[in-house]
Amino acid sequence: EAGVAQSPRYKIIEKRQSVAFWCNPISGHATLYWYQQILGQGPKLLIQFQNNGVVDDSQLPKDRFSAERLKGVDSTLKIQPAKLEDSAVYLCASRTTGANVLTFGAGSRLTVL
Amino acid sequence: GDSVTQMEGPVTLSEEAFLTINCTYTATGYPSLFWYVQYPGEGLQLLLKATKADDKGSNKGFEATYRKETTSFHLEKGSVQVSDSAVYFCALSESGGYNKLIFGAGTRLAVHP
Repeated sequence: EAGVAQSPRYKIIEKRQSVAFWCNPISGHATLYWYQQILGQGPKLLIQFQNNGVVDDSQLPKDRFSAERLKGVDSTLKIQPAKLEDSAVYLCASRTTGANVLTFGAGSRLTVL
Repeated sequence: GDSVTQMEGPVTLSEEAFLTINCTYTATGYPSLFWYVQYPGEGLQLLLKATKADDKGSNKGFEATYRKETTSFHLEKGSVQVSDSAVYFCALSESGGYNKLIFGAGTRLAVHP
């Protein structure tokens, strides 16, 4: 089966600019996650979707980050305006209903200058 | 809240040496426990898991046993190879929740010939 697809793989922007990341989960996976992985740290959950509804966004900085999952398939994570501390790898993962294993994409590396 | 603590790296070993990476957790309830591995330039991959106390997860020569009495899930391998060089993440999935993963900070392993 095809894995979790993410794009772009790399993005360099200046602070205060905006950026968007796209994720296409494994077909049929109802649950989708966005994680932020800062260099030298473990991934931290930003937001979790069940189909097209949000079930956990408690650690999403909502003043600058937003995410949507229209139609319960693809998802987009947006940052506007970006700060230096947003430099990180943004990981998308998906899970099928009833399983407890997440499958991760390769990630999108963001550098904010 | 729930958390995972891993031994700090980097861990540097010679090929065929014995590997232990310590992991302890704090959780309410009975979480599932995981080890994920991140090879250079790649996304996170599930290495092994255990879903209840005394379960042993194993894969590719790696093993970890779910020890409820010591709240630990240490990763071991009897003879490491250069190809095992990667960052290893211990993680837990809360019981009764939406299966979000909480990660430790990661331990970098470097194996030299």
